[in-house]
Amino acid sequence: DAKTTQPTSMDCAEGRAANLPCNHSTISGNEYVYWYRQIHSQGPQYIIHGLKNNETNEMASLIITEDRKSSTLILPHATLRDTAVYYCIVRQGRRALTFGSGTRLQVQP
Amino acid sequence: GAVVSQHPSRVICKSGTSVKIECRSLDFQATTMFWYRQFPKQSLMLMATSNEGSKATYEQGVEKDKFLINHASLTLSTLTVTSAHPEDSSFYICSATGTSGVKETQYFGPGTRLLVL
Repeated sequence: DAKTTQPTSMDCAEGRAANLPCNHSTISGNEYVYWYRQIHSQGPQYIIHGLKNNETNEMASLIITEDRKSSTLILPHATLRDTAVYYCIVRQGRRALTFGSGTRLQVQP
Repeated sequence: GAVVSQHPSRVICKSGTSVKIECRSLDFQATTMFWYRQFPKQSLMLMATSNEGSKATYEQGVEKDKFLINHASLTLSTLTVTSAHPEDSSFYICSATGTSGVKETQYFGPGTRLLVL
């Protein structure tokens, strides 16, 4: 599976949008982009995934560039409970997810 | 989304004993289950993949005789840490995926924290 690159950490003010970037320049045509988050001492939580179109659900929006080499996860109105490590993962088919270091998002009051 | 449960949520045991962790998919049939572990301040590391009714496939460096995995049904997988030692203390997390649609996504359990004294 293609590797991803994410910033180590980010801060965001409560109530503002949090935009988390991810680079996946070696992604292949049949690989999906998945986003998960892990709140301290819990199992990872699925957020959203997409192939090439932008996606939105009740948690977040996923914007994938036209060349698919990067994507951005958007949390429209961050709350303190969104403080977590966010993982961007590229996955082919039903293979096991491979976790990198992720981005530690700290939402500030 | 889909729900995956784990039991127990935390366990403390003496060195040399065995510990069994259960992972259940509550509202879907999990054709494939994955076991991960996470050491403090590190990311999740895949230990093994198991398909229902088949032997598990272990990642390099994971001892199959030490970490016994059973996936006997479409809703239950177990991980048994045999003859546990303090270095096995970790956060063990299972994950499950189904066969179609949203269930092809990997859903994770809440994790089991193991402390071996």
